Order: sequence, then C-alpha cells, then structure tokens
Amino acid sequence: GQNIDQPTEMTATEGAIVQINCTYQTSGFNGLFWYQQHAGEAPTFLSYNVLDGLEEKGRFSSFLSRSKGYSYLLLKELQMKDSASYLCAVVDSNYQLIWGAGTKLIIKP
Amino acid sequence: TAGITQAPTSQILAAGRSMTLRCTQDMRHNAMYWYRQDLGLGLRLIHYSNTAGTTGKGEVPDGYSVSRANTDDFPLTLASAVPSQTSVYFCASRDTSGVTDTQYFGPGTRLTVL
Repeated sequence: GQNIDQPTEMTATEGAIVQINCTYQTSGFNGLFWYQQHAGEAPTFLSYNVLDGLEEKGRFSSFLSRSKGYSYLLLKELQMKDSASYLCAVVDSNYQLIWGAGTKLIIKP
Repeated sequence: TAGITQAPTSQILAAGRSMTLRCTQDMRHNAMYWYRQDLGLGLRLIHYSNTAGTTGKGEVPDGYSVSRANTDDFPLTLASAVPSQTSVYFCASRDTSGVTDTQYFGPGTRLTVL
C-alpha cells in the first residue's frame, strides 16, 4: 500500500528553527510537494522537490532523499503566522497526489 | 485573479437528500480534482478529471458522482447523503503547463449531514 508519515503535531518558539519530517512509501515517485494550510482555509503550495537535495525559498527550505523515501521542510526565523498545518504529498506512478495527514505546527511566543 | 471558487461555503443537509457542490476555475487548467478532508486523515481523492469530457474515480468515490462538461466547471453530486459524508470538501485544479504540475485549491465547502 501507499503510505505517507509525518508527525501529528510539533511546537516551536517564535524566532527559532523547526524541521518537519515526511517519510513515504508509494507506488512510483514523480515528485514531492509541501503545502501549508491555516485552520479553516485551503492548502496553499509551498515547495516541490523531484531531485535529491535542498530547495531554498526564503525562510522555507525543503529537502528530498529519494533513496531513503524521506523529505523535510525547514522553517527558519519562525513567526506567529507560521502556525498552521503542513502537508506532505507525493506524486505517484499515476501522477496522482498521495497526501500525508499533515503536521500541526504550534508557534509559542 | 479569482482562481477557484466553490459554493456553497457551508451546508447542513438532511440524510437521504441530494446535493451538488459547485466548483469553477478561471485558470484554464485541464485537470481538476475533488478531495475530502477529515480530522486526522490526509486529503482523500474522490474523483478527478484530466480534461473536459473525461472523469475518473479516486480513492473514495462511493456515494459521489461528477461531470466535466467544460474546462471551467467540475460539480460534485451526492445522490443520497449519509452522515459519513460529513466533511470538508476541496476542489483543486492542476497547472500542467509548468514544471511542477502544482495543484491549486478552492476555499472548501463544509458539509454536515444529519
């Protein structure tokens, strides 16, 4: 079966750095997405990785290791507005997205 | 840019009644999707359409139907609602013209079936 694992909840302090991990087992791999979802809102696109390595985009970076079936999202200089759920999704062999349940990130002052 | 709109925003529905959730996009994306999102679970694909005139079943299609008469509209119909269909429903469209094939989401419809 297909499986995406990520922690259910994490807590971090404003101004700090947090790393949200995602491991996956899917039928095929055609890329990995990270989305941000604030409570009561729609998911919004953050990053996409298809090759191994680190993609940096401002305060957010995403890393992929295809051989390990592993990705992480790194958030730097945390702000209160970063309190949200972060969703990991893998593009499978049928080019459909398989979604993790999301990691709820709580930022404390 | 409107992007993707969904209607209604929320709805309370009696079990056994039918309902159509509307989804419209103005980005001319070929592919569209319907997901449901339940607490503790990831987004689950209900139905999808790769292009106007075609549809396919996702992970949880039972009790739902879709149509894709044109590029812009992708309605989702519940023929006879049951309480287990209480959920938040998101419509999405996919940009297939770029490198990343990113999916963009509508604001969602919160449905309660009693």
